[in-house]
Parts: sequence; structure tokens; C-alpha cells
Amino acid sequence: KAGVTQTPRYLIKTRGQQVTLSCSPISGHRSVSWYQQTPGQGLQFLFEYFSETQRNKGNFPGRFSGRQFSNSRSEMNVSTLELGDSALYLCASSSLGVAETQYFGPGTRLLVL
Amino acid sequence: GQNIDQPTEMTATEGAIVQINCTYQTSGFNGLFWYQQHAGEAPTFLSYNVLDGLEEKGRFSSFLSRSKGYSYLLLKELQMKDSASYLCAVRGRNSNSGYALNFGKGTSLLVTP
Repeated sequence: KAGVTQTPRYLIKTRGQQVTLSCSPISGHRSVSWYQQTPGQGLQFLFEYFSETQRNKGNFPGRFSGRQFSNSRSEMNVSTLELGDSALYLCASSSLGVAETQYFGPGTRLLVL
Repeated sequence: GQNIDQPTEMTATEGAIVQINCTYQTSGFNGLFWYQQHAGEAPTFLSYNVLDGLEEKGRFSSFLSRSKGYSYLLLKELQMKDSASYLCAVRGRNSNSGYALNFGKGTSLLVTP
């Protein structure tokens, strides 16, 4: 089976812009979770989608949003970018959601200037 | 809320054994995971514990004590390629009342010749 894929792998944006990141889960997996990883805070949970519905969310501002399509692919959007949004954004898929082992994609490294 | 603590850095010698500890506080505990993350790469799943005791998988073993809020990852016969960050992650209820996987900040392990 192909693993989790994320596009783009690298991205440079400026403050105030918005960005959309994409994640394709492992075939057959219906849950996609998004995480932000920074050196200072480590891996932090953003939200989880399951069968096109947001099932859970972490403690991030409303500028961070996401959605999931019928084929389980997911997108994450960050509006009005801030310098502190510079991070590695990881998505992970699992077959039944947080109850099962999550498999991570390679991540999108976002740099906000 | 959730609190996960693990040492920031550890150093060990090739061929030796190292134990990486993780203590946690969480509500609605529903499993503990260990992930390995090499620099610049995605986390990869190592082990999962939901019941007390030791789970062994080749050179890697993981132990859980739910009453003590404690886990450790044991790596035997260390190899240079084991130099990586080891992430302890606990599944529990977050502030939005759903289940989420919350990560510690990781233990950076350096294996020396």
C-alpha cells in the first residue's frame, strides 16, 4: 500500500497570506488528523476528520481550518499567516480514527516571512 | 488537560541498552504510543500499550503502568541508526471532550561508537 502523501513538501509565504495544504491518506483509511510540529512546542494536535466530519479539534485559533472529501483526502487551511505559523505540518491517517495507530505523512514545511 | 514528560536528550553507546522514560497525566486514558522520528522525517510507529505490562517487538520493548502514569521504551543492542527523537504519545480526552493523541516533546537519543 502507498503511504500517506502530503503536498506541497515545502512552502514559503509572507505574513497575512493564506495557505492550503493537502493530505492523501493510506488507501482504506477514513480518518485524517493534522498536527503542527515546532522545535519549542513539539507535535501539537490540530484536528481530526473522519468520514468528512470534523470529529475533534485541538486548541488552535479559528485561522486554522480543514475539511475532508468523500475520497478521504483532506486539506488544511491557515488564513492570515503569522510568523509563528512557521512549522512542519504533519498529517496522519488511521483506519478507525484516534482509536487506532496513526501513520504519518512526510509533512509540509511552511516558512512564513 | 494532558501533561507528558520525557527527558530532552540521552546519549548511549552502540551495542548498549537504553531506557527512555515517559510520565503522563491525562483524563480518559485510552492508550500510549511510542514513535521514532529521524531528523527531517515523519514519525514512524514503534509500539502501543493500553494494558499494564511489557510489549516486546524485536530490539524494542515498551512498558506501561497506568496506575503510575508511567511508560518506558527499552532499546537493546543499540545501533547507530537508532539515533533519532523518540516521541511518547498518549491518547486521552482533550478539552473539547473528544479523544486526541497528545505528544511529549520527544527525547533526542544520540548513539555513539
